Amino acid sequence: NAGVTQTPKFQVLKTGQSMTLQCAQDMNHEYMSWYRQDPGMGLRLIHYSVGAGITDQGEVPNGYNVSRSTTEDFPLRLLSAAPSQTSVYFCASSNVQGYEQYFGPGTRLTVT
Amino acid sequence: EDKVVQSPLSLVVHEGDTVTLNCSYEVTNFRSLLWYKQEKKAPTFLFMLTSSGIEKKSGRLSSILDKKELFSILNITATQTGDSAVYLCAVLLSGTYKYIFGTGTRLKVLA
Repeated sequence: NAGVTQTPKFQVLKTGQSMTLQCAQDMNHEYMSWYRQDPGMGLRLIHYSVGAGITDQGEVPNGYNVSRSTTEDFPLRLLSAAPSQTSVYFCASSNVQGYEQYFGPGTRLTVT
Repeated sequence: EDKVVQSPLSLVVHEGDTVTLNCSYEVTNFRSLLWYKQEKKAPTFLFMLTSSGIEKKSGRLSSILDKKELFSILNITATQTGDSAVYLCAVLLSGTYKYIFGTGTRLKVLA
């Protein structure tokens, strides 16, 4: 089992560019989520999904889109990158009981 | 507004010391509280607490929840340098799959 994988590990974008952060899991987990982690802010929930075709917003959804077409994949799209989106992004998954989330290794994104 | 507050923000101790980390919460609908350890990478799960007064234990780590006073503590006894990490507390809201995380406590254990 690879667990939760994320690509890329690092990314630098210019303001206004768009990109997709990839997240995949091979544990057949229904629940998947995206967080951003900023210094002094802890982890903040961006979007989450409880199954294929179902997504919902977290605390800080603005500027991000998600879709869930398969159980395995949960990509995060930045529509028009802004410097305020510079952060470390973590994807996580769990079964629908939701308690023990498994986190991916993270993507460090810098927007200049 | 739902919030989770951890204290202290950071802590430096020597090997062998015992530490207590605190997590208090104010949320509309509480389901469970979780503790994670984060070293230089992704958070890893430590404990989940749902009921008051029942201690969860794993080796030198233990945790307990007080749903009346709305807080939890994480104890680490006989600390080791490998315990150095950021410890995160999160609350799972009932009826949703939304987790609210605290800002974490950064623990440094000196040899």
